Amino acid sequence: KAGVTQTPRYLIKTRGQQVTLSCSPISGHRSVSWYQQTPGQGLQFLFEYFSETQRNKGNFPGRFSGRQFSNSRSEMNVSTLELGDSALYLCASSEQADNEQFFGPGTRLTVL
Amino acid sequence: DAKTTQPTSMDCAEGRAANLPCNHSTISGNEYVYWYRQIHSQGPQYIIHGLKNNETNEMASLIITEDRKSSTLILPHATLRDTAVYYCIVRPNYGGSQGNLIFGKGTKLSVKP
Repeated sequence: KAGVTQTPRYLIKTRGQQVTLSCSPISGHRSVSWYQQTPGQGLQFLFEYFSETQRNKGNFPGRFSGRQFSNSRSEMNVSTLELGDSALYLCASSEQADNEQFFGPGTRLTVL
Repeated sequence: DAKTTQPTSMDCAEGRAANLPCNHSTISGNEYVYWYRQIHSQGPQYIIHGLKNNETNEMASLIITEDRKSSTLILPHATLRDTAVYYCIVRPNYGGSQGNLIFGKGTKLSVKP
């Protein structure tokens, strides 16, 4: 099976812009989770989707949002970008919400 | 907050076993111990998980103490490619549980020739 894919791999935006990141889970996986990784805060959970429903959300402002489609692909959106949003954004998929998660390579977002 | 405590860093000689400890003294009866690793700039990689019995797979062995308050991940023959940050995570594992992983700072393992 193909692994988790994320697009784009690298992205440069300026403050105030918005960005959409995409994640395609492993075939057959219905749960998709998103994480943000920064040098200062480490890996932090953003949100999790299962069968198109957001089941859990981390402690991030409302500028961070996401959705999942019927084919389990997921997108996350960050509006009104701030410098502090520069990070590696990781997507992980699993068969069910409580199985082991398999991570994609991440999208490196730089906000100037 | 992460419910685990790990050493910040460890060194291991190539070809020797790497033993990575993890303390999780507040673990609940329905919580599993998961191990992931992250090689520089890549996504975390699942290694192994267990509840109370020792577990082994093609990558590693997981030894959980009888009281479940600590565990050890064992890489039997470490190679240079095992240099990574290793994360020990406890999470519930029952139907309908929340899918998020809470990462701590992990242990940076350096395998040296």
